[in-house]
Amino acid sequence: EPEVTQTPSHQVTQMGQEVILRCVPISNHLYFYWYRQILGQKVEFLVSFYNNEISEKSEIFDDQFSVERPDGSNFTLKIRSTKLEDSAMYFCASRAGEGYTEAFFGQGTRLTVV
Amino acid sequence: AQTVTQSQPEMSVQEAETVTLSCTYDTSENNYYLFWYKQPPSRQMILVIRQEAYKQQNATENRFSVNFQKAAKSFSLKISDSQLGDTAMYFCACLPMSGNQFYFGTGTSLTVIP
Repeated sequence: EPEVTQTPSHQVTQMGQEVILRCVPISNHLYFYWYRQILGQKVEFLVSFYNNEISEKSEIFDDQFSVERPDGSNFTLKIRSTKLEDSAMYFCASRAGEGYTEAFFGQGTRLTVV
Repeated sequence: AQTVTQSQPEMSVQEAETVTLSCTYDTSENNYYLFWYKQPPSRQMILVIRQEAYKQQNATENRFSVNFQKAAKSFSLKISDSQLGDTAMYFCACLPMSGNQFYFGTGTSLTVIP
């Protein structure tokens, strides 16, 4: 069964460093998402991506964040200068398209900023 | 604004027994979907059950059923004949039809005790 895959499963980085979280959505899906969950808190929406551009983003998704779909298969989230409060589980998801409501999630990347 | 609230951070149930997980939500939309997602330890979130808000009939998927009370904005999940494999984090989520973004609760960690 097709699934969304995320790498790495765990990333430790120093404050101020750049990180790139990688995701391979399900082939032929059209909508892509990044969510994050700080320990003990809600799963929070960061950004959605459709037709090679950002369709929605939250207040969390500031200038430190960017997304790319560089080669038609990968979907990456870049954090330019990490802060301690960026430590969280980051989930990638994809959805087939308009009229398809189910989102398929990856297993998450645990980002720890030290 | 849309919010989803899960008031039970942790629950446990004896194997073969029935358990109900609570979820309330708030949305200004008339048309939306509600979901329960399950996240087993170290695994990705998978869809358990989905409910269209315009349908009065409660959704059922094998041992999983929901009690959807639209006026009360309540969407609880009942798991019958609990199995050890049901041990997981359960997330309630809302997807407004007008938008592209899922709104999640904080999750309920369910442990099935043998």
